[in-house]
Amino acid sequence: GESVGLHLPTLSVQEGDNSIINCAYSNSASDYFIWYKQESGKGPQFIIDIRSNMDKRQGQRVTVLLNKTVKHLSLQIAATQPGDSAVYFCAETEGGGADGLTFGKGTHLIIQP
Amino acid sequence: GAVVSQHPSRVICKSGTSVKIECRSLDFQATTMFWYRQFPKQSLMLMATSNEGSKATYEQGVEKDKFLINHASLTLSTLTVTSAHPEDSSFYICSASLGEPYYGYTFGSGTRLTVV
Repeated sequence: GESVGLHLPTLSVQEGDNSIINCAYSNSASDYFIWYKQESGKGPQFIIDIRSNMDKRQGQRVTVLLNKTVKHLSLQIAATQPGDSAVYFCAETEGGGADGLTFGKGTHLIIQP
Repeated sequence: GAVVSQHPSRVICKSGTSVKIECRSLDFQATTMFWYRQFPKQSLMLMATSNEGSKATYEQGVEKDKFLINHASLTLSTLTVTSAHPEDSSFYICSASLGEPYYGYTFGSGTRLTVV
């Protein structure tokens, strides 16, 4: 995965708009990817996951896209709400279950009223 | 759904003392537990992986004598920060998995450690 950054990128969107958060990963052997939401002072909360044999997966208001060719992952949040304000991390792993996760830098999503 | 309980949520300790953090899987047996560390405005970094009944595997650069991990049962793992120093102040988060591929990972709520 990506190296840890010294600061978090910020994405500011208007309430009701769609948000797209991007993530690049470096390990071509990774086969399981997860998006997490983290609110201040709390642990990561699972949003959606995708296996490497898929390129798109949809959940409630969220969609994850995986492009293995360029090692890129994105999270789309539809009709953002104030409660979506948080830091979003992508995470990857090779083995699934037995191996820990490598987290991306994170993106701070701010919802403007 | 799977729940992981982490305790304490906050702890302040004096430099040179040791602190123990507990991580429990409440409604499932966690074959594997993981410990992460997170500095302010940064990402989570994996510190170690522990399997019940065996020694933990530490990531490169993590001192195993400083961060003692015990995984005595399928529902409990502990992280002890020994001889804590101010630079050990951080947010520590545990995670648990069933050890099966693609089943996901459940995270605890984290422990804010402040060493003064």
